[in-house]
Amino acid sequence: GAGVSQTPSNKVTEKGKYVELRCDPISGHTALYWYRQSLGQGPEFLIYFQGTGAADDSGLPNDRFFAVRPEGSVSTLKIQRTERGDSAVYLCASSLQSGGNTGELFFGEGSRLTVL
Amino acid sequence: DQQVKQNSPSLSVQEGRISILNCDYTNSMFDYFLWYKKYPAEGPTFLISISSIKDKNEDGRFTVFLNKSAKHLSLHIVPSQPGDSAVYFCAARNTGGFKTIFGAGTRLFVKA
Repeated sequence: GAGVSQTPSNKVTEKGKYVELRCDPISGHTALYWYRQSLGQGPEFLIYFQGTGAADDSGLPNDRFFAVRPEGSVSTLKIQRTERGDSAVYLCASSLQSGGNTGELFFGEGSRLTVL
Repeated sequence: DQQVKQNSPSLSVQEGRISILNCDYTNSMFDYFLWYKKYPAEGPTFLISISSIKDKNEDGRFTVFLNKSAKHLSLHIVPSQPGDSAVYFCAARNTGGFKTIFGAGTRLFVKA
């Protein structure tokens, strides 16, 4: 499809395990965002990529979280030593450009992570 | 520190009537505001936006009003339809930046 694609849609893991969540943005969108949505809350900013570089990772909660976008398209959010508090829906969004652009974000359906 | 606040977790409206969803913000640097709609098991989708140079923007049944002095915006849906039942997120950003900040959302129920 032409939209933002996220895999897996659901991931159940055990505390302490490593998890990777993948995002395939809309073709041609240079800006890519990761958000996290906990139950009853709005999307919370994690990290923003412009091209291949992470322009702002100030929303990552701690050093267990890391994200890459090596070729400026697909991005992977990596979570090490998962904790129960990491359970949430992880949303990826892309947009045509950023930094002055007022265009909206296009979101994927999210990856629901459950840490047991 | 919630920069975008939606103080009503839910709202119930009769079909055909007006729905009014409210949002307050604290950061005076925000100059672009958006509303997103979210159905269960789907990502948020863009609904309507407004720049701080305007006080009203209308798109069909949806109108957003901005009161900069009060740091308040509202989304009006009229007439409301059962298909409008969803969670609505207010969001804000600074056009010089890239980070969009979301409120906690308001769940709208439109009763047939």
